[in-house]
Amino acid sequence: ILNVEQSPQSLHVQEGDSTNFTCSFPSSNFYALHWYRWETAKSPEALFVMTLNGDEKKKGRISATLNTKEGYSYLYIKGSQPEDSATYLCAFRGRGSTLGRLYFGRGTQLTVWP
Amino acid sequence: DGGITQSPKYLFRKEGQNVTLSCEQNLNHDAMYWYRQDPGQGLRLIYYSQIVNDFQKGDIAEGYSVSREKKESFPLTVTSAQKNPTAFYLCASSPGVTASEQYFGPGTRLTVT
Repeated sequence: ILNVEQSPQSLHVQEGDSTNFTCSFPSSNFYALHWYRWETAKSPEALFVMTLNGDEKKKGRISATLNTKEGYSYLYIKGSQPEDSATYLCAFRGRGSTLGRLYFGRGTQLTVWP
Repeated sequence: DGGITQSPKYLFRKEGQNVTLSCEQNLNHDAMYWYRQDPGQGLRLIYYSQIVNDFQKGDIAEGYSVSREKKESFPLTVTSAQKNPTAFYLCASSPGVTASEQYFGPGTRLTVT
């Protein structure tokens, strides 16, 4: 089974703090890297799909970068708000026979205190 | 409204009984997926289907079965052979199998006693 690692496992920050977390994935056979946000009592929602080395995506205060050569992606949240509290999941899609599926990390659980 | 529905939200069964979880989508998506989530674990793939009448095993397929007779439906049966069936089950779909994001249903929490 392919390994996707996320760190830290959990994070507690104060409102207004900026934060970032990491997703590590295999650097070979890369096709795409997905980020999802999963709020309590809701379904996971896609944030970004990243496919190119050096890619940077942004949605409001949230941004993500991608390094496919070394196998990592960072998710940044600027000026965290309580509504950003959620579990953030990354998922790797590889080329070849497993192109049709995602491999998820265990997630980073973010809590933003007012 | 377009989306993915899973029913029921909570399901209770006795050990030794098979149970079928429903997943329906009206997004006209080709691909559908079943995941299981346990405390402290990520989403683990049980089965996926890229097209009607075809499906592939994921990482933890033992004790589960699926069918894909219609594009909009992908039911999951948890059989009595599944040793630890109590978990949260999520269904997802995507337009295709390449870089497409996946859209998730609300999930079913299954408790087997």
